[in-house]
Amino acid sequence: EAQVTQNPRYLITVTGKKLTVTCSQNMNHEYMSWYRQDPGLGLRQIYYSMNVEVTDKGDVPEGYKVSRKEKRNFPLILESPSPNQTSLYFCASKRTMNTGELFFGEGSRLTVL
Amino acid sequence: QKEVEQDPGPLSVPEGAIVSLNCTYSNSAFQYFMWYRQYSRKGPELLMYTYSSGNKEDGRFTAQVDKSSKYISLFIRDSQPSDSATYLCAMKNYGQNFVFGPGTRLSVLP
Repeated sequence: EAQVTQNPRYLITVTGKKLTVTCSQNMNHEYMSWYRQDPGLGLRQIYYSMNVEVTDKGDVPEGYKVSRKEKRNFPLILESPSPNQTSLYFCASKRTMNTGELFFGEGSRLTVL
Repeated sequence: QKEVEQDPGPLSVPEGAIVSLNCTYSNSAFQYFMWYRQYSRKGPELLMYTYSSGNKEDGRFTAQVDKSSKYISLFIRDSQPSDSATYLCAMKNYGQNFVFGPGTRLSVLP
């Protein structure tokens, strides 16, 4: 089954404790991206990657890091989480030449105390 | 002004009603227009995709794009309780940056 898998789905952590949200896709997609979703603000892009070893900032990259060492994986790293990073996070992927369809994971709800 | 505006709702309609969901945008460079549906506790999934201006129909769903007015719409005919979800409009130019509206929460009551 074609899917984007995120882990963990739910996480409560404390300010400053480094965490990583993993994302893996099995569709051989070149493009992967991370979004955060907040009430009233919609989905905002954090980082995206056009292919292995190529990453770019989205609209809200501050406080986040990413890496793309393998085509299927695109982890999101919060080096020193803060309460304003409490949000619902989505990983998405698509074929670079496919202009429309982003495939989303099921989301990771993060709470930073 | 936000780049993409969307009435957040919530919108409640009786089963069988025609639903109209709308977005306005400010960036005239947008060329690709999409509607995603998001069920509670799930990721968004693509519902409709159109390029430039015009209409596109798929079953009970019709997407309209009016680039001259910077306005897009999604119509749902014969709405069903299973259509209850949040609907997100999305758009992009020729690059890879998608811009999403905040979403409209729809409830279809049996």
